[in-house]
Amino acid sequence: DTEVTQTPKHLVMGMTNKKSLKCEQHMGHRAMYWYKQKAKKPPELMFVYSYEKLSINESVPSRFSPECPNSSLLNLHLHALQPEDSALYLCASSPTSGVHNEQFFGPGTRLTVL
Amino acid sequence: DAKTTQPPSMDCAEGRAANLPCNHSTISGNEYVYWYRQIHSQGPQYIIHGLKNNETNEMASLIITEDRKSSTLILPHATLRDTAVYYCIGTNNAGNMLTFGGGTRLMVKP
Repeated sequence: DTEVTQTPKHLVMGMTNKKSLKCEQHMGHRAMYWYKQKAKKPPELMFVYSYEKLSINESVPSRFSPECPNSSLLNLHLHALQPEDSALYLCASSPTSGVHNEQFFGPGTRLTVL
Repeated sequence: DAKTTQPPSMDCAEGRAANLPCNHSTISGNEYVYWYRQIHSQGPQYIIHGLKNNETNEMASLIITEDRKSSTLILPHATLRDTAVYYCIGTNNAGNMLTFGGGTRLMVKP
């Protein structure tokens, strides 16, 4: 299984809602990533988890809260988002967190904040 | 951070070689160059990476200039399914993160 799955595919939420994005991989990878991608822009790294511990937080606002409950799962909890947070949220995994490792990306969750 | 510069778009005829250039003049001596592509409505997909020697795999070839200030990704026989945005990627100053450049939108035409 060389797939990273993400749910839901699409999410529409209001600014007062709380929602979560889910990412799963069963490749035995020990590094997992969240990226944000605005329309017609390249992906931007948000968070890196290595061996279930948060290793990189790219100064992401606290309204985004990542969680890695185990080595196969990565969640992104959303609360009090703004319309400018509307974007494609991509999850990726790699064997370890070194940049030389190929990152496997999921198809993303397209988030719209009203 | 290793900043990369790519042309915003390119066309290529189906069956011909697609040569995608990338300038990375600020790259340091031990930084690799990575290439990923993103087909519409999908996540990015790894293609290849290299340091100073030319590299080849089943998807593409990577030619890096001797001074390492630029590189070219070559898709030897482009197909319609190769239509995508191709990212030439460096790393941040700490060398622990990929930093995507603007990408080249490659359109393969019949």
